[in-house]
Amino acid sequence: AQTVTQSQPEMSVQEAETVTLSCTYDTSESDYYLFWYKQPPSRQMILVIRQEAYKQQNATENRFSVNFQKAAKSFSLKISDSQLGDAAMYFCAYRSAFAGAGSYQLTFGKGTKLSVIP
Amino acid sequence: NAGVMQNPRHLVRRRGQEARLRCSPVKGHSHVYWYRQLPEEGLKFMVYLQKENIIDESGMPKERFSAEFPKEGPSILRIQQVVRGDSAAYFCASSLDGRVGGQPQHFGDGTRLSIL
Repeated sequence: AQTVTQSQPEMSVQEAETVTLSCTYDTSESDYYLFWYKQPPSRQMILVIRQEAYKQQNATENRFSVNFQKAAKSFSLKISDSQLGDAAMYFCAYRSAFAGAGSYQLTFGKGTKLSVIP
Repeated sequence: NAGVMQNPRHLVRRRGQEARLRCSPVKGHSHVYWYRQLPEEGLKFMVYLQKENIIDESGMPKERFSAEFPKEGPSILRIQQVVRGDSAAYFCASSLDGRVGGQPQHFGDGTRLSIL
C-alpha cells in the first residue's frame, strides 16, 4: 500500500516571501500521479497542482511549483510571493496509474498548516 | 457554480439515528468518490462509484455504511445507527472519467457530520 508523509505539521511565511512544503511518499509502482490540494478555513478542497510521474519536467502553476525527485520519492511544493490568501492546510496526495483495487483513490498525507504573516 | 455540490453543509444527528449525505457531481461527470476527514487528519478514501455501480468500496466500513449513485439524482452516502466516532467531515469528489490516474478529482465543500 502507498503512504504519503508530510513531516511539517505547521509552517509560516512572511507575505511576499517564498516557502517550501515537504512531501515524501512510499510506493513500489513506477507510474503514478501526485497532487497538492489546498484546504482553506472554508474546508473546500482545491486542486493546486498535479504532477505525472513519467514526466521529467516539474509542474508549475503561476506562483506554485513543485520539485519532483522520483528517485528520492519526494514531491515538495514551493509557493513564491506568498499572499494572505495562501494561508490554508496543504495536502499532498498520491494516485496510482495502474488499474486494480484501490487504484482509483487518492491517498493523502496528514497536511501542513501554512500561516502567512502580514 | 457548476462544481460538486454537497448537502447539507452541516448535519447533526443523535446516536442511533440515520445520516444521509448527498452529492451532485460536476455536470457531465459520471464518476464519484467519497472521502472522510477526521479532525487533524488527511482525507481517507471510502468508496468509488459510477452510475448505478459500486466500483471500489475498499475504504468503507462493512457495517452501517452504504453508498449509491443512481441513474438519476445525486449520489447518497448513508450511515445507519450513527455513533460518536462517525463525527467527521465527509467529502465527495467527481471526475470526468475513471481511467486510472486520468482526470483529476474535483471536490465539493464537504458535509460536517456531528453526532450528539
